[in-house]
Amino acid sequence: QKEVEQDPGPLSVPEGAIVSLNCTYSNSAFQYFMWYRQYSRKGPELLMYTYSSGNKEDGRFTAQVDKSSKYISLFIRDSQPSDSATYLCANAQGGKLIFGQGTELSVKP
Amino acid sequence: KAGVTQTPRYLIKTRGQQVTLSCSPISGHRSVSWYQQTPGQGLQFLFEYFSETQRNKGNFPGRFSGRQFSNSRSEMNVSTLELGDSALYLCASSLGPTGGQETQYFGPGTRLLVL
Repeated sequence: QKEVEQDPGPLSVPEGAIVSLNCTYSNSAFQYFMWYRQYSRKGPELLMYTYSSGNKEDGRFTAQVDKSSKYISLFIRDSQPSDSATYLCANAQGGKLIFGQGTELSVKP
Repeated sequence: KAGVTQTPRYLIKTRGQQVTLSCSPISGHRSVSWYQQTPGQGLQFLFEYFSETQRNKGNFPGRFSGRQFSNSRSEMNVSTLELGDSALYLCASSLGPTGGQETQYFGPGTRLLVL
């Protein structure tokens, strides 16, 4: 079992839709959680970072962490074609990032 | 402020050769981590350097090595290349040693193809 599980998709939604991206993790020692966005042929770009259970909002993006169920989510409101990318969840453990497989998102105009 | 830079961006090598990749972190960042990204395995941690010392190492064979210089620039080396080493190699920098709370910023990567 991978330490971080993420549905690889692909996920296709119409412009303006609310997108929900999810990850589960197995190691309860994880304390820091990130979401990265990766466009084709680019390096991952840090979107959101949190270390506590609950919600953290940044513009159209909301990160949600539920440590009791080891579940993390990223919500994108009013999705745009420019949001089309691969989204990677990551947990930080002792100096390294453990990544999920990434979910490929396509937002259609 | 300039981001993380990696050179070269693309490389083609043949089996058995060795390769050296270079990474320049964001100015002021002292920690550099390396990751390998493949379609099958995703993003996997290789190693982390801080103050010229390797602090963490992932589960990769000894053919993969790295170092960090006094100006925080880092290089990684892969010896005796195998076909399975074909991947995107990503460098990430952070301000200090990544105990988890330090956010890491990635470069564009070096795409290595082994023939």
